[in-house]
Amino acid sequence: QLQLQESGPGLLKPSETLSLTCTVSGDSIHSSSYYWGWIRQPPGKGLEWIGKIYYSGSTYYNPSLESRVTISIDTSKNQFSLRLRSVTAAETAVYYCVGLGGYEYFDYWGQGTLVTVSS
Amino acid sequence: EIVLTQSPATLSLSPGERATLSCRASQSVFTYLGWYQQKPGQAPRLVIYDASSRATGIPARFSGSGSGTDFTLTISSLEPEDFAVYYCQQRTHWPRMFTFGPGTKVHIK
Repeated sequence: QLQLQESGPGLLKPSETLSLTCTVSGDSIHSSSYYWGWIRQPPGKGLEWIGKIYYSGSTYYNPSLESRVTISIDTSKNQFSLRLRSVTAAETAVYYCVGLGGYEYFDYWGQGTLVTVSS
Repeated sequence: EIVLTQSPATLSLSPGERATLSCRASQSVFTYLGWYQQKPGQAPRLVIYDASSRATGIPARFSGSGSGTDFTLTISSLEPEDFAVYYCQQRTHWPRMFTFGPGTKVHIK
């Protein structure tokens, strides 16, 4: 069974860079069966897709975030990562790493990690 | 960008009742629509994909229908564990994009 776990700082100041890592267990991140991605959810609000990456390194980003986002993959560590530059307080949210199966829906979810942006 | 709207925003029902949730897209998403269930403090869980296919482990009381711009998630007889927020989600091929609806909260009457 595929499992995902987010890790990274939980508190940032405005204008800093958010960096999170997702560790995948239960299968190889190099598998062609999955895409990997990130979704966030501000407290008490809805879900926003951030972006996704294929094992080959191909990336797709939410156009509203594309200028500030980088998703990368490290197959040697079975991990993928999110970097979001110049964060604001409005980007305080629970950040989920996700795995997308063959039908490209979000089949697998990490437990989520709360990132707070505050001065 | 395709916008999804969900109705109603909240649904007050009793266990055993039928729940009917609606999701409407601003333009056709064909059948590229999924439904997710989220309980407090938990990550969402995929319930339905491609408009009408149940995800692994999802009970038969959950069903999805629709195509184009109008979709429905039906829970035939609510169990206590079904009270949650439900989000619809679409995926488009060009641009490669995923968006979610604002959610419908199903709570106990």
